[in-house]
Amino acid sequence: AQKITQTQPGMFVQEKEAVTLDCTYDTSDQSYGLFWYKQPSSGEMIFLIYQGSYDEQNATEGRYSLNFQKARKSANLVISASQLGDSAMYFCAMRENTNAGKSTFGDGTTLTVKP
Amino acid sequence: GAGVSQSPRYKVAKRGQDVALRCDPISGHVSLFWYQQALGQGPEFLTYFQNEAQLDKSGLPSDRFFAERPEGSVSTLKIQRTQQEDSAVYLCASSQDRAQVYNEQFFGPGTRLTVL
Repeated sequence: AQKITQTQPGMFVQEKEAVTLDCTYDTSDQSYGLFWYKQPSSGEMIFLIYQGSYDEQNATEGRYSLNFQKARKSANLVISASQLGDSAMYFCAMRENTNAGKSTFGDGTTLTVKP
Repeated sequence: GAGVSQSPRYKVAKRGQDVALRCDPISGHVSLFWYQQALGQGPEFLTYFQNEAQLDKSGLPSDRFFAERPEGSVSTLKIQRTQQEDSAVYLCASSQDRAQVYNEQFFGPGTRLTVL
């Protein structure tokens, strides 16, 4: 079974508007971490935001926030006030405490911001 | 700069050739990770080092793939007898401490391998 599922291959958003990128995950671990990365066309993976499974508050980092719904096993990324430079591939990833050296990534969502 | 560096950035190999990909992690980083990213997909875990010890190599796709980190700093991923399906971007990442759920991993720019 897929451990990380990103169901949106591509998304479009108008500049200055907010967009939500979906991510669902599957694990039997009680302790795990969820990550979002941005990968521009240049190829480097840029860390955006982290949510721990025991964190009670949703994580926020500037214009990025993570909508964590533990019971539904979802960890959606919300980008507010989209900018043209946000156009990139976005990956959701998980690390489980029983194997913390291994990150599992989804297949990504390509976000295009329209002017 | 002080980030993770990888070399070469691009490598073209003929099928059957051996290749070696190098990763220089951030100085002092204990953990080092290798990932394979096929076109249009997310990275797939290959292997993980804590200092010089290879603690997990479960993601290496075949015995043609071999990774080492002999002095606990620079790492080399070697692929023997390359096949076309090995064509991918190979990403290296490092983190400051031993692998834990919450540690941030810093990624290098990747090596794009094309096997003809």
